[in-house]
Amino acid sequence: NAGVTQTPKFQVLKTGQSMTLQCAQDMNHEYMSWYRQDPGMGLRLIHYSVGAGITDQGEVPNGYNVSRSTTEDFPLRLLSAAPSQTSVYFCASSWGISGGVETQYFGPGTRLLVL
Amino acid sequence: AQTVTQSQPEMSVQEAETVTLSCTYDTSENNYYLFWYKQPPSRQMILVIRQEAYKQQNATENRFSVNFQKAAKSFSLKISDSQLGDTAMYFCAFMGYQGGSEKLVFGKGTKLTVNP
Repeated sequence: NAGVTQTPKFQVLKTGQSMTLQCAQDMNHEYMSWYRQDPGMGLRLIHYSVGAGITDQGEVPNGYNVSRSTTEDFPLRLLSAAPSQTSVYFCASSWGISGGVETQYFGPGTRLLVL
Repeated sequence: AQTVTQSQPEMSVQEAETVTLSCTYDTSENNYYLFWYKQPPSRQMILVIRQEAYKQQNATENRFSVNFQKAAKSFSLKISDSQLGDTAMYFCAFMGYQGGSEKLVFGKGTKLTVNP
C-alpha cells in the first residue's frame, strides 16, 4: 500500500511551457484534491474531485486544469506556466463524505520552479 | 467563506516542556471537522490530531491534545513533553461541507522550534 504518490518530486520549467503533475492513490479513495503551498500562505485548494468523472474548482484554480478518468489518478495540468506558479504542490485523498472518514492523506509534494 | 487564523507565526519551547499553539476559525456551519497537521522539513504533511465539532470531549493523541471551544471558535493544540522531533510547521485546518462537498481550509501555519 503506497498511499498517495506524486511525480515528479522537483521540476524546473520555462515560462510558457506546459506540464502535468501526476498524482495516484491506491486506497480506493473517492475524494482527491490538489493544493499549492506558498511561503506565508499555508495550503490553498486548487481543484478537487469527489469521484471519477467529477471535478470542481477550489480557491485558486486559474492556470490549472484537472481531469479524473479513474479513481486512482488525478493529474494536474499547467497549460502555460508562469513564474507565479512557482510553488510546492500537494495532492491529497480521502474516503469523502460517503465513507464517513474525513481525514485527508497527503502525498510527498512536487516542488515546481518556473523561470 | 470559512477562514482559519493562526496568530503565532513562530514559537519556541525547551525540550520536555509544554507548548500551546493557537487557532481560531470562522464558520456559520454547525457540523464540521478540525485538524492539526505537522509539516517537518521533509515537507510531508502529517496528521497530528482531529476533532469532530459535534463531540464535546477534546481529542487526545499521546502527547498531543486539543482545547476545542466551539462557541468561541477556538481550537488550540497542546504539545506536552516536547521533543526535538516536534520541530516543524504546524497547520490548523477546517473542513466543512459547503455545497455538499468537503473542502479543507488551512491557516498560515506556526513554525515551532524545540530547543535542546
